[in-house]
Amino acid sequence: DQQVKQNSPSLSVQEGRISILNCDYTNSMFDYFLWYKKYPAEGPTFLISISSIKDKNEDGRFTVFLNKSAKHLSLHIVPSQPGDSAVYFCAASGSNSGYALNFGKGTSLLVTP
Amino acid sequence: AAGVIQSPRHLIKEKRETATLKCYPIPRHDTVYWYQQGPGQDPQFLISFYEKMQSDKGSIPDRFSAQQFSDYHSELNMSSLELGDSALYFCASSRRQGGGTDTQYFGPGTRLTVL
Repeated sequence: DQQVKQNSPSLSVQEGRISILNCDYTNSMFDYFLWYKKYPAEGPTFLISISSIKDKNEDGRFTVFLNKSAKHLSLHIVPSQPGDSAVYFCAASGSNSGYALNFGKGTSLLVTP
Repeated sequence: AAGVIQSPRHLIKEKRETATLKCYPIPRHDTVYWYQQGPGQDPQFLISFYEKMQSDKGSIPDRFSAQQFSDYHSELNMSSLELGDSALYFCASSRRQGGGTDTQYFGPGTRLTVL
C-alpha cells in the first residue's frame, strides 16, 4: 500500500512564480520527511528535509512545511526557475522502521519562461 | 564533494543469467540502501546495511542477495534474472552513526535490462 501520496502527477508554473508541491502520508510513525529532485536516468538529488519535531524548514528558495495533524507536507519553491523543471519525489522514513525511504509517485514540475 | 558511485551504469543480461551491481558510498558513510525503480514507478526499498550488517529488508526477491564489505562498499547479486527485473537500481548512502536524522544520498543508478 502506498504510504506516501503525491496526488498531483504534474504541475506547470510560470517562471518567477511560486511552485507548491503537496504530499500526504498515512503512517503516523514516520518522523523524517525529505524531498528529492530527479531527472530522467539520474539518481534522486536530495533537496531539503524536515524532522517531525519541526513545522517548517527553509533553505534558499526551498521551504518545506509539515502539518503533522493533517499528515501533510508541502514544498514551496520561490521564485521558480526553468532549471527547476524535474520530477519531485516526497519521501518519508521512521527511525523505528530501519530508516528505509517510502516514496510518493512523484510530481513532474514544468517551469515555463 | 564525493558522491555515491555505482557500477556498471548500464547492464544487459539474458533471462536466467546472473548480475552483480556495485555501490561505493560517500566516504565516512556507514549505511547503504538499495532501491529498485521500475518504469514510471517510485523507487522501492530492497535492503539496507549498517556497519556491514543487514539492517532492514524490504521487497527484495529471494533470488537477490546483498552484502556490505569491510570497506563499506556493497554489492547486490541477482540470480535467475527475469524480464520483470528490468529496472533502475539505485544505491543510497547515509551516515547513521551518532543518531539523529538519516539523510540518504543517491547514486546515479544502474539500468538493468533483461532480454
